Amino acid sequence: GQQLNQSPQSMFIQEGEDVSMNCTSSSIFNTWLWYKQDPGEGPVLLIALYKAGELTSNGRLTAQFGITRKDSFLNISASIPSDVGIYFCAGQLVGNNRKLIWGLGTSLAVNP
Amino acid sequence: DSGVTQTPKHLITATGQRVTLRCSPRSGDLSVYWYQQSLDQGLQFLIQYYNGEERAKGNILERFSAQQFPDLHSELNLSSLELGDSALYFCASSVEPGAGTGELFFGEGSRLTVL
Repeated sequence: GQQLNQSPQSMFIQEGEDVSMNCTSSSIFNTWLWYKQDPGEGPVLLIALYKAGELTSNGRLTAQFGITRKDSFLNISASIPSDVGIYFCAGQLVGNNRKLIWGLGTSLAVNP
Repeated sequence: DSGVTQTPKHLITATGQRVTLRCSPRSGDLSVYWYQQSLDQGLQFLIQYYNGEERAKGNILERFSAQQFPDLHSELNLSSLELGDSALYFCASSVEPGAGTGELFFGEGSRLTVL
């Protein structure tokens, strides 16, 4: 079935560093979403992207919907300890708006 | 607080048993989704209901079933439990998955441990 390749699988960074993660697929998506899961919690939507080429920011977070519609990236600037968690990308396939396809997540650890 | 309520938060049971997980969606949301998250794994979509009817099915085992009631709350029933069913089960809700959405609101999850 369809899948998203999310990378890196995990990251360990120093506080203040910038972070970049991405999702790619061989399929075309009409929506890309980025969620964050704090330890012991459910995922929370960070950013939603609906148009190819769209660049959207939410505070220190910036995400882009790739021009080819097959990829998306998420950047976090000036990381802080509360950025720790698992970041998931999810996409809705063209022609199939009923189901989200999820990446396996990027686990982020921040050293204060 | 996402507005999605799941109970119980923790559940410990034995192999072969049956459990029911409950979810109340956000006020006004008609769609309910169930996901399974095993240790260090991603989110596995199980099933979706919209306004009481099954809308989409994922990798849900035949031993599992779900339903959405007229008041829009949903239950996930897990039977003949096996050790491998130990996981976090998340419920999520949305107004409706239409074009350009996919924005889900997740509950805090029910952690199932099968011994």
